[in-house]
Amino acid sequence: EVQLVESGGGLVQPGGSLRLSCAASGFTFSSYWMTWVRQAPGKGLEWVANIKQDGSEKYYVDSVKGRFTISRDNAKNSLYLQMNSLRAEDTAVYYCAREDDMKYWGQGTLVTVSS
Amino acid sequence: QSALTQPASVSGSPGQSITISCTGTSSDVGGYNYVSWYQQHPGKAPKLMIYDVSKRPSGVSNRFSGSKSGNTASLTISGLQAEDEADYYCCSYAGSSTRVFGGGTKLTVL
Repeated sequence: EVQLVESGGGLVQPGGSLRLSCAASGFTFSSYWMTWVRQAPGKGLEWVANIKQDGSEKYYVDSVKGRFTISRDNAKNSLYLQMNSLRAEDTAVYYCAREDDMKYWGQGTLVTVSS
Repeated sequence: QSALTQPASVSGSPGQSITISCTGTSSDVGGYNYVSWYQQHPGKAPKLMIYDVSKRPSGVSNRFSGSKSGNTASLTISGLQAEDEADYYCCSYAGSSTRVFGGGTKLTVL
């Protein structure tokens, strides 16, 4: 059974940093692109970033370029999102998803940016 | 990277059919046959309902169907049921390995 479990969310002050993790199981993690998607409270889904199987290609939505970094550790079956210079508008539930049409999603982890 | 355009809300009675539109540009919806649709119930993760414009994952009811014409994709739900009440999001490949979602549509089953 495919499972994706996010962790690392929490309350952080504006300008602060946070690192999200996504633990994958039930499939060959190193064979798939992976994606982060976020959803602000009461708002819609927003694609944030994705990463190729070997980590050699990474893409970001314009609003997080230069602040967020996606990475992965295939030996640990884990996906990460390093978030720096956080802003109030980054407040959201962050989901990781397997990118083959995003059929599999985690349960999400809430990031709150507030003073 | 502008969001795709969806109606904010649609409604229908049980047994009826509804269609949700998703309008983009030639750089996303119109340029690729990679449109997917997601159903999201409150407090839950999104669920894939349609991929590659019109393909259904195993386990998804055949009451759900997808199509595309030009820069607009559509999700049709036939034989509406109470459990179909949810938010629905379209998503398109937008080139350079990026994706873009629609703003979401709230479906109310009357």
